[in-house]
Amino acid sequence: DAGVTQSPTHLIKTRGQQVTLRCSPKSGHDTVSWYQQALGQGPQFIFQYYEEEERQRGNFPDRFSGHQFPNYSSELNVNALLLGDSALYLCASSLEGRVEKLFFGSGTQLSVL
Amino acid sequence: SQKIEQNSEALNIQEGKTATLTCNYTNYSPAYLQWYRQDPGRGPVFLLLIRENEKEKRKERLKVTFDTTLKQSLFHITASQPADSATYLCALPVSGGYNKLIFGAGTRLAVHP
Repeated sequence: DAGVTQSPTHLIKTRGQQVTLRCSPKSGHDTVSWYQQALGQGPQFIFQYYEEEERQRGNFPDRFSGHQFPNYSSELNVNALLLGDSALYLCASSLEGRVEKLFFGSGTQLSVL
Repeated sequence: SQKIEQNSEALNIQEGKTATLTCNYTNYSPAYLQWYRQDPGRGPVFLLLIRENEKEKRKERLKVTFDTTLKQSLFHITASQPADSATYLCALPVSGGYNKLIFGAGTRLAVHP
């Protein structure tokens, strides 16, 4: 049973560039939540996708956008990268829009130079 | 605003002792609370969920309490081992139409032989 998989594992970009991160949820899960985790901080909620719609959004600018596909996989896009976007980006999956017991991937470490 | 607070300082204990971690929250009445473990460079791993009508929950060497009057949860690891060294995060659901899970900053635990 495959868990949550994220790609790529590491990424280096320069300011102003755009990036796309990918996530495949755990088998049988239909809900994907994205989090940003800066060094030494807890994960910060970006948004949640269920039934291919963004259902909840955290306090992040419109530069952060996402998408969920019919197979429940998801992408996180960040435009006009800033140095402060450097962080570990985590994807978590769950069932039916619920957030009891999230399953996390290992994350994508994004460095913006 | 809703806040989750965990001890920001690392907790250092001797192997075999009981580790106790604290999670406090304000301006909030969650239906449940979760604890996760996170190792460096990895995503959080779910450990326990305790509901508002449960005072205590146990899983092997782990024990969680939930005091809705004090707005506090305590997380205990008995007979601690060096392998228990990690960052422990508490998380609460926030409802706003649909639930999202928000995390505290975490407490780093170091168990010394």
